[in-house]
Amino acid sequence: EAAVTQSPRNKVTVTGGNVTLSCRQTNSHNYMYWYRQDTGHGLRLIHYSYGAGNLQIGDVPDGYKATRTTQEDFFLLLELASPSQTSLYFCASSETGGNYAEQFFGPGTRLTVL
Amino acid sequence: GEQVEQLPSILRVQEGSSASINCTYENSASNYFPWYKQEPGENPKLIIDIRSNMERKQTQGLIVLLDKKAKRFSLHITDTQPGDSAMYFCAAEGEGYKLTFGTGTSLLVDP
Repeated sequence: EAAVTQSPRNKVTVTGGNVTLSCRQTNSHNYMYWYRQDTGHGLRLIHYSYGAGNLQIGDVPDGYKATRTTQEDFFLLLELASPSQTSLYFCASSETGGNYAEQFFGPGTRLTVL
Repeated sequence: GEQVEQLPSILRVQEGSSASINCTYENSASNYFPWYKQEPGENPKLIIDIRSNMERKQTQGLIVLLDKKAKRFSLHITDTQPGDSAMYFCAAEGEGYKLTFGTGTSLLVDP
């Protein structure tokens, strides 16, 4: 089974703060994703990438930047955090972007913006 | 983009009975429909999926039905057990191979 890890697992910051969420996958998957999970909204795609140096815009990208530095590592950046970004963030990876590829999720990062 | 509606948001059943969750989608080009289960405090995990060239798929007490004409798909859990209590998400793969998830169904199975 794919191994996806995230750090930190919990983070508290203040409005206007700068936050970086990290994700690493060790199964040589090409695609990586950042989702946020909120009650009543399910999982919503923020950004995704199909390889090092690549970035694709998801469905709720406003206020977020992302960077894929290597095949293994994908980062989500909140440069001016706002309370509306308080959420549970999941990273996921898949071998391909299509072809019915299963997405493997990390354990999640709970972010609180005060 | 794709929109996926999922109902009900909360479902409570007795152990041994069946549970059904329904989802509808908008993009007729969507061709892959996975279901993910998320246990409390855990990450979502794929439990079953169906492709657009199929109408029915069954595995280990789970049945998925797909009606492409109605743009509707559903998950049926037969003989529910307390271990089936979890959040369930449907999803549809559409443009750019992105998955769009439904809003989730919280299933509670009473012993």
